[in-house]
Amino acid sequence: DSGVTQTPKHLITATGQRVTLRCSPRSGDLSVYWYQQSLDQGLQFLIHYYNGEERAKGNILERFSAQQFPDLHSELNLSSLELGDSALYFCASSVDSELMNTEAFFGQGTRLTVV
Amino acid sequence: AQKITQTQPGMFVQEKEAVTLDCTYDTSDQSYGLFWYKQPSSGEMIFLIYQGSYDEQNATEGRYSLNFQKARKSANLVISASQLGDSAMYFCAMREGRVERDSNYQLIWGAGTKLIIKP
Repeated sequence: DSGVTQTPKHLITATGQRVTLRCSPRSGDLSVYWYQQSLDQGLQFLIHYYNGEERAKGNILERFSAQQFPDLHSELNLSSLELGDSALYFCASSVDSELMNTEAFFGQGTRLTVV
Repeated sequence: AQKITQTQPGMFVQEKEAVTLDCTYDTSDQSYGLFWYKQPSSGEMIFLIYQGSYDEQNATEGRYSLNFQKARKSANLVISASQLGDSAMYFCAMREGRVERDSNYQLIWGAGTKLIIKP
């Protein structure tokens, strides 16, 4: 158990809908990262939050947004869903000090299927 | 250009044999970190081992070791005495960033190697 909790584990929804994925980082971790893993694109970095503030954006679509709350949990909102959004969405957390050797601990992922 | 290259899409290995999974990387940063993760069929991403660019010794964690050749920009994962439970996807990843800049410490991933251990 990595200590990172993601809910729900599975989500099936229709095109055009909106969903919210939730992530609780490990206790003490200030950074939350969201990644998308799809069959054709591999693992792609979406967005990074540190202590409530957005730090970096990767390949995140405008239809997607995220936030990190004061209790450090994070939500990823996906709207106007398309078939191509079907993927495994991972949340990872890390301590993120200035050192490089802080591994990211991953949740079990949310498998999103858009039908 | 690919920043992380894993040239072996799939490998079959006999149980109890050692296996080496290849990873080459591309960065102009002097400070970076290299990671290996395992993803079993259940989907979770499990951290295995880390190597920092300034580490002089190769990293080891139990049956896992990282063969770090900085000049060749390679960071191969070696699994000794493979077990059936080692069957999974294996991903090499890199984190770039210097302390001096506002690095985002994101991980850049390779395409993965599917390892199957045969009994």
